[in-house]
Amino acid sequence: QKEVEQDPGPLSVPEGAIVSLNCTYSNSAFQYFMWYRQYSRKGPELLMYTYSSGNKEDGRFTAQVDKSSKYISLFIRDSQPSDSATYLCAMSGRGSTLGRLYFGRGTQLTVWP
Amino acid sequence: KAGVTQTPRYLIKTRGQQVTLSCSPISGHRSVSWYQQTPGQGLQFLFEYFSETQRNKGNFPGRFSGRQFSNSRSEMNVSTLELGDSALYLCASSVGGADTQYFGPGTRLTVL
Repeated sequence: QKEVEQDPGPLSVPEGAIVSLNCTYSNSAFQYFMWYRQYSRKGPELLMYTYSSGNKEDGRFTAQVDKSSKYISLFIRDSQPSDSATYLCAMSGRGSTLGRLYFGRGTQLTVWP
Repeated sequence: KAGVTQTPRYLIKTRGQQVTLSCSPISGHRSVSWYQQTPGQGLQFLFEYFSETQRNKGNFPGRFSGRQFSNSRSEMNVSTLELGDSALYLCASSVGGADTQYFGPGTRLTVL
């Protein structure tokens, strides 16, 4: 079992839709949870960063972390064609995982006009 | 602040050659991590350096090595290149390693 599981999609939605992206994980030592967006042939760009459980909102983006279920989500409201990209969840902890991010495989999202 | 920079952006090598990639972190960041990204395996962790010391290492063969300099700039080296080493190599920097990592644009390596 991979430490981080993410449905690779692809996911195709119309402009204005609400998008839900999810990851599950197995390592209870993870404390830091991130979502990155990666456009084709570019490096990943940090979207959201959450420490421990809870919700965080930034504009059209909301990140949720449920450590009891080992489940994290990213919601995109009013999706735009410019949101079309691959979304990667990532997580890390301290100790032996210091400096290392564990990534999901990424979900490819297309938002059509 | 300037972001993470990586050079070169593109490289074409042949099997058996070696290659050195360079990464300059964000000013003030002392941790540099390296990742390999391929369509088949996704993003895989290579190693992490902090204050010129390798603190963490992924599951890659010894052909993959790295180092960090006193100004936090980092290099990674791949010796005896194989076709399977073709990938996007990404470096990321953070203040101390346990916090948010910011990625560079990557170096796309093609091995022929």
